[in-house]
Amino acid sequence: AQTVTQSQPEMSVQEAETVTLSCTYDTSESDYYLFWYKQPPSRQMILVIRQEAYKQQNATENRFSVNFQKAAKSFSLKISDSQLGDAAMYFCACTTGGSQGNLIFGKGTKLSVKP
Amino acid sequence: NAGVTQTPKFQVLKTGQSMTLQCAQDMNHEYMSWYRQDPGMGLRLIHYSVGAGITDQGEVPNGYNVSRSTTEDFPLRLLSAAPSQTSVYFCASSYAPFRYGEHEQFFGPGTRLTVL
Repeated sequence: AQTVTQSQPEMSVQEAETVTLSCTYDTSESDYYLFWYKQPPSRQMILVIRQEAYKQQNATENRFSVNFQKAAKSFSLKISDSQLGDAAMYFCACTTGGSQGNLIFGKGTKLSVKP
Repeated sequence: NAGVTQTPKFQVLKTGQSMTLQCAQDMNHEYMSWYRQDPGMGLRLIHYSVGAGITDQGEVPNGYNVSRSTTEDFPLRLLSAAPSQTSVYFCASSYAPFRYGEHEQFFGPGTRLTVL
């Protein structure tokens, strides 16, 4: 069965500092996609960044970047210059294979940002 | 565009009652899905649909029914509510992955359901 593991239930970072959230996954698929979603206290799920497994280049979106290690099945999220608005739950997700587009999520990491 | 809308935002039920959670999207997305979110569990897929008239089960389908009569709507029915169904429910939609490759799933604001 496919799994997505986020080993850090909670993380804390000082404003303007950098923090890395960990995610490992297990899949037998050769073609898959990985995502990081942000869930602030408003409960809305917001896509932060996505990575196609066939692309070797790590995805970046402004202050957010990933370290994608395909062989190790690792997909960590780095947040640079952390801001108070980055405080949220962060979920790592992976497509489950086939063409349906279903996602399997990790259990989440709660990120706190200290002023 | 309103995106993905869900009603109601909050609901309290008694054990054994039935109800329907509504979900609608105005982006002409073929793919729609329902997830439940429980503390410490992340989001788990309940049911999904790849187009009107086509539905299938996800990871945790028991106790829930869905139908997809139109592209826009994907209601989730609880047949006989149980306390174990207390959760936050999210509806999501996207362009058809099998037609356009993997696309971002857009999520609704969620429905918090409490079953007493």
